[in-house]
Amino acid sequence: KQEVTQIPAALSVPEGENLVLNCSFTDSAIYNLQWFRQDPGKGLTSLLLIQSSQREQTSGRLNASLDKSSGRSTLYIAASQPGDSATYLCAAPPGGGGADGLTFGKGTHLIIQP
Amino acid sequence: DTAVSQTPKYLVTQMGNDKSIKCEQNLGHDTMYWYKQDSKKFLKIMFSYNNKELIINETVPNRFSPKSPDKAHLNLHINSLELGDSAVYFCASSRGTAGGEADTQYFGPGTRLTVL
Repeated sequence: KQEVTQIPAALSVPEGENLVLNCSFTDSAIYNLQWFRQDPGKGLTSLLLIQSSQREQTSGRLNASLDKSSGRSTLYIAASQPGDSATYLCAAPPGGGGADGLTFGKGTHLIIQP
Repeated sequence: DTAVSQTPKYLVTQMGNDKSIKCEQNLGHDTMYWYKQDSKKFLKIMFSYNNKELIINETVPNRFSPKSPDKAHLNLHINSLELGDSAVYFCASSRGTAGGEADTQYFGPGTRLTVL
């Protein structure tokens, strides 16, 4: 059974700083891992999907890494902006793939101070 | 055009009632999902469904049942609503489930269910 943990639970940093959000998962036989953003009262927005064959995936100021052997992924946000304030969720499918749906971490609540 | 849509956005009802939440995706995806986000904001898979199989999370009470009239829709029916069913319910879809970019899940805006 897949379990996902995210650290830290909350993070507050001044605008302009680079930051790293951490995610760990227990079943490393995953095909991919997905990072989402959730704004208060809103749905989830997919940020990046990183495949098991990739080590990194980039989209604008976001960079996600995946290390299956250690069961870890990181989301790096460069030059943070107040608009980046949101809850960031890491989600992994069951090991070996399949349509069982994603297992989510509890999220990192990020506040970027202007 | 909205990729994954849900109706209603808000649903307030009494204990014991039966209600449905509708979900539609216009992405041509093969697999659809229902997730529940509880009061602590923790998201948990309830069901996943494609035209071949329905996978049910074992923790979901059998008062909850998904119904798919066609590939673009997966509705959630809830019987005999209980106070503990109050949560935000999210529908999602993906093109595939076997690896690759096709597995990217797209979420609807959510339905906030309040049971009084």
